Amino acid sequence: GQSLEQPSEVTAVEGAIVQINCTYQTSGFYGLSWYQQHDGGAPTFLSYNALDGLEETGRFSSFLSRSDSYGYLLLQELQMKDSASYFCAVSSNRDDKIIFGKGTRLHILP
Amino acid sequence: DSGVTQTPKHLITATGQRVTLRCSPRSGDLSVYWYQQSLDQGLQFLIQYYNGEERAKGNILERFSAQQFPDLHSELNLSSLELGDSALYFCASSEGMGDTEAFFGQGTRLTVV
Repeated sequence: GQSLEQPSEVTAVEGAIVQINCTYQTSGFYGLSWYQQHDGGAPTFLSYNALDGLEETGRFSSFLSRSDSYGYLLLQELQMKDSASYFCAVSSNRDDKIIFGKGTRLHILP
Repeated sequence: DSGVTQTPKHLITATGQRVTLRCSPRSGDLSVYWYQQSLDQGLQFLIQYYNGEERAKGNILERFSAQQFPDLHSELNLSSLELGDSALYFCASSEGMGDTEAFFGQGTRLTVV
């Protein structure tokens, strides 16, 4: 089966940098994805890592270490609109599911 | 707009009833996933279809069933509804199997009273 662990809440200050960690257990790993969900909204795709290393997309970066079954999402120059829940997700080449973590609620202080 | 359409947006029904939630995937996407999200909870995987066939099952209750039709739209049927079934139900679609980028609809908020 698959399982993911991520912190339930993180608080940071506007303009700062925050890192949201995710550890996972899965068989037949395809890749690790990150999704953002604002209250009352739908999850939207942010990034995907299949190989070790850092992927950068604007203010957001995502890192993966396959050997450690670990990844993180890095958000820079935080803005109030980044207040949301962030989910890591894994997919397996064994059963094609996309399994999500419980999500990390990011609170941003002015 | 993700291109995934879910109807209805809101549904209020009584315990013991049956409802059907509908999802139209993005044009060209063959996989459809169904998720349940309860208040302040994560996205619980229910079931996945690919090109009309069931591909993967999560912790879906026996009272729940789904199917994907030849035109690739999907329906999630929830029966003998209980208060605890109140949740946001999301449909997502992706091009193929094992994709890690999925596109979500706006969800159907189900309230069982």
